[in-house]
Amino acid sequence: GENVEQHPSTLSVQEGDSAVIKCTYSDSASNYFPWYKQELGKRPQLIIDIRSNVGEKKDQRIAVTLNKTAKHFSLHITETQPEDSAVYFCAASLGFGNEKLTFGTGTRLTIIP
Amino acid sequence: DVKVTQSSRYLVKRTGEKVFLECVQDMDHENMFWYRQDPGLGLRLIYFSYDVKMKEKGDIPEGYSVSREKKERFSLILESASTNQTSMYLCAHWRRGNTEAFFGQGTRLTVV
Repeated sequence: GENVEQHPSTLSVQEGDSAVIKCTYSDSASNYFPWYKQELGKRPQLIIDIRSNVGEKKDQRIAVTLNKTAKHFSLHITETQPEDSAVYFCAASLGFGNEKLTFGTGTRLTIIP
Repeated sequence: DVKVTQSSRYLVKRTGEKVFLECVQDMDHENMFWYRQDPGLGLRLIYFSYDVKMKEKGDIPEGYSVSREKKERFSLILESASTNQTSMYLCAHWRRGNTEAFFGQGTRLTVV
């Protein structure tokens, strides 16, 4: 089955700096890659996703890049703010009809004021 | 507003008890999933369902079973609770087609 590895497990950055979280996946047939943010004591919520026919997607300060050849994808957060502090999970799925969502182990991001 | 309701926020059960965790959604979504969340291990898939009466094993199904008699309700059953099943359990659902997953608030289960 699919295996998703996520690094680093913890990340601290100064407010205003950028943060990058990286994930690799094992099944080359995976074609959907969402990122979820979980604030302390709250449920995970989707922040951005990318499908395999796209190499990069941006939404304001957040971007995701996908390298299908290398089977890895990354989350980039620019101009970090205190409210970006949370645990971030990457995930991978094979697609329509086989939508089992496999998650990485999470990255705890701390923004230092 | 999305409403994903899990039956309990906190639960304490004794070893050997049969435990029922319920998840109810009001968005008419086909896909419903049960995950457990443990520190350092992320979200691990227990069981999932793409439709009523349908179920499939996830990555860690041992010690669990599920039931989906109605589209909006997906139940997770711990047949005989053990201390290693102490965890946070999260239900998620989404519309077929790899769309956004909506999570419940979670049930923190402690087995003593």
